[in-house]
Amino acid sequence: EDQVTQSPEALRLQEGESSSLNCSYTVSGLRGLFWYRQDPGKGPEFLFTLYSAGEEKEKERLKATLTKKESFLHITAPKPEDSATYLCAPSGGYNKLIFGAGTRLAVHP
Amino acid sequence: GAVVSQHPSRVICKSGTSVKIECRSLDFQATTMFWYRQFPKQSLMLMATSNEGSKATYEQGVEKDKFLINHASLTLSTLTVTSAHPEDSSFYICSALRDYNNEQFFGPGTRLTVL
Repeated sequence: EDQVTQSPEALRLQEGESSSLNCSYTVSGLRGLFWYRQDPGKGPEFLFTLYSAGEEKEKERLKATLTKKESFLHITAPKPEDSATYLCAPSGGYNKLIFGAGTRLAVHP
Repeated sequence: GAVVSQHPSRVICKSGTSVKIECRSLDFQATTMFWYRQFPKQSLMLMATSNEGSKATYEQGVEKDKFLINHASLTLSTLTVTSAHPEDSSFYICSALRDYNNEQFFGPGTRLTVL
């Protein structure tokens, strides 16, 4: 059975304090792994797609990496505006996304 | 690029009425769109897959006669909640699968409240 587990469930950081979010997955026929950011009351905002182990992508203070069983979202020197829920979603058969429960990130000044 | 819109953003209706939600991909073609539902403080739950020109595929436990999906063009899918009841109140979100690279982009969501 396809499974996705994100950790931690919630993370509180001080502004400038770097950290990493983890996404462990078991998905047959992986087509890609997606990271999204979701703000309260809004739809998820696309961040990255990773397709193969060893791949890395960066966008501003965020960097996503992928192994055969895990993906990490590294946040460098976060700012309060980075506060959101970060969702990991591997894509399996029929391009369906399998969502984790998300990590709620709060960055305090 | 890769913008998906949803309309309406909020709707309040009386129990027993039907509500239609539109999902449009504004700057790309999407043969496939998806409809999700999200409860407070929970992750997204896939309801159905919408394919242009064919019948939607529903996830287990989702009533296809209650949640009618029509994907009439490469940029538009609609979800109609028929005979809505208070338990149908939720946040409904669509996503569109960009044809050329299979990346999914989400709409802003529709908050449905059934009184």
